[in-house]
Amino acid sequence: DAKTTQPTSMDCAEGRAANLPCNHSTISGNEYVYWYRQIHSQGPQYIIHGLKNNETNEMASLIITEDRKSSTLILPHATLRDTAVYYCIVRVAGGNNAGNMLTFGGGTRLMVKP
Amino acid sequence: AAGVIQSPRHLIKEKRETATLKCYPIPRHDTVYWYQQGPGQDPQFLISFYEKMQSDKGSIPDRFSAQQFSDYHSELNMSSLELGDSALYFCASSLRLAAYNEQFFGPGTRLTVL
Repeated sequence: DAKTTQPTSMDCAEGRAANLPCNHSTISGNEYVYWYRQIHSQGPQYIIHGLKNNETNEMASLIITEDRKSSTLILPHATLRDTAVYYCIVRVAGGNNAGNMLTFGGGTRLMVKP
Repeated sequence: AAGVIQSPRHLIKEKRETATLKCYPIPRHDTVYWYQQGPGQDPQFLISFYEKMQSDKGSIPDRFSAQQFSDYHSELNMSSLELGDSALYFCASSLRLAAYNEQFFGPGTRLTVL
């Protein structure tokens, strides 16, 4: 899996948008960008993923740059319950692939403040 | 919707004892992953199974073994427990041939070795 770089921590005011950046300059053409988050001591939770197009679901939006070397996860209206560690993970998706494990490392600790 | 079930949720053992952790994947999921998360650390991949066969192996100590049974549940067996084995152990499941292979995590088992 390609290496990713994220800020160690970020703060966000409740009700405002949280923009979490991720650099993945060595991403390969067949690798997707996945985002997971882990609320304190709970199991990691899948948020969203994308290949090259921007994606949106009920939880967040994912903006991927045209060269795919970086991306931004956007939580449009952050709440206190969004306080968590957010992990950006690059991996090959789907199919009968070995190596489908997730490699967690260097996530961003997002603190949403009242 | 049914989620990944892990049991027990908490386990306290003495050094050199054995422990067995159980994981029940989401129905129809054929792949199970085990992750270990030490205090203040990121989750680390241990081992995975697909259709009851070992698929990938990560940083799993030789003292640990695991298997996936015919009903797709999995067990992680840990012997000669050490203080350093104290951690959260997460199980995740996925459908291998699903388009994007998202992993869904259980609530974890907190193992404390005294």
